Amino acid sequence: DSGVTQTPKHLITATGQRVTLRCSPRSGDLSVYWYQQSLDQGLQFLIQYYNGEERAKGNILERFSAQQFPDLHSELNLSSLELGDSALYFCASSRRGSGELFFGEGSRLTVL
Amino acid sequence: AQTVTQSQPEMSVQEAETVTLSCTYDTSESDYYLFWYKQPPSRQMILVIRQEAYKQQNATENRFSVNFQKAAKSFSLKISDSQLGDAAMYFCAYRSSSSGTYKYIFGTGTRLKVLA
Repeated sequence: DSGVTQTPKHLITATGQRVTLRCSPRSGDLSVYWYQQSLDQGLQFLIQYYNGEERAKGNILERFSAQQFPDLHSELNLSSLELGDSALYFCASSRRGSGELFFGEGSRLTVL
Repeated sequence: AQTVTQSQPEMSVQEAETVTLSCTYDTSESDYYLFWYKQPPSRQMILVIRQEAYKQQNATENRFSVNFQKAAKSFSLKISDSQLGDAAMYFCAYRSSSSGTYKYIFGTGTRLKVLA
C-alpha cells in the first residue's frame, strides 16, 4: 500500500460526459501529480500541484482540469469525454526530500 | 530539456538467469534522482530502486541492482536470479533535484518476459 488513495477505481461512462477523479496523497506529501496511461503505452504527465498551487503542466487537454484543495487532496476533471480518453489515470505524490513518487492504484476510465 | 530513453521495447530472460535493462538520459544538471519502476499486469506502479546522482555507489535492493554511469548518462537495471513474478513493464525515470518544479520524466518502458 503506497498510501496514495484514488477513487473511483473503475468508471464507465459515455462520450460527451464529464467525470471527476479524486486523489488523496500520502500523509505529509505536498506534491500531487496526475498521469495518463493508455493501453500498452507509457505514462503521460498531465499536471502537478504543490501545496495547492499549479507547478507544472504537461500534455493536458483543455477539456481536462485539475485542482488541489487546502486539505491537499486533488481532483482531475475530464469533460466532453471522447473514446480516446479511455485510459488508466494515475495520481502520485512525493515529499520534498525523499525523491520518489508514490503512486495510487489508478482510476480506470472507460468511455463508450 | 531532459529526456529518458529506453531502447529495448521488450526483453526475455530464462527463470533464474540474469537480465539487464538499459536506460539513458539527457540532462545538463549535476544533481538529480533516477528511478526504476515496475508495472506488473495489475498495472500498479511499484518503485524498484532509486539512485541519487551525487552518490557514486550503485544502489542495490536484494536481486535488483543498477549500473549508474554518470558521465555516460546511463542507468541500467540488473535483475539477478529472475523469477516469474519479475515479469512486468519496467520504466526508467528521472527527476531534477534543483528547487522549483520537480518534474518526473519517464521512459517509454521495457516489457520483461520471464520464461519458465
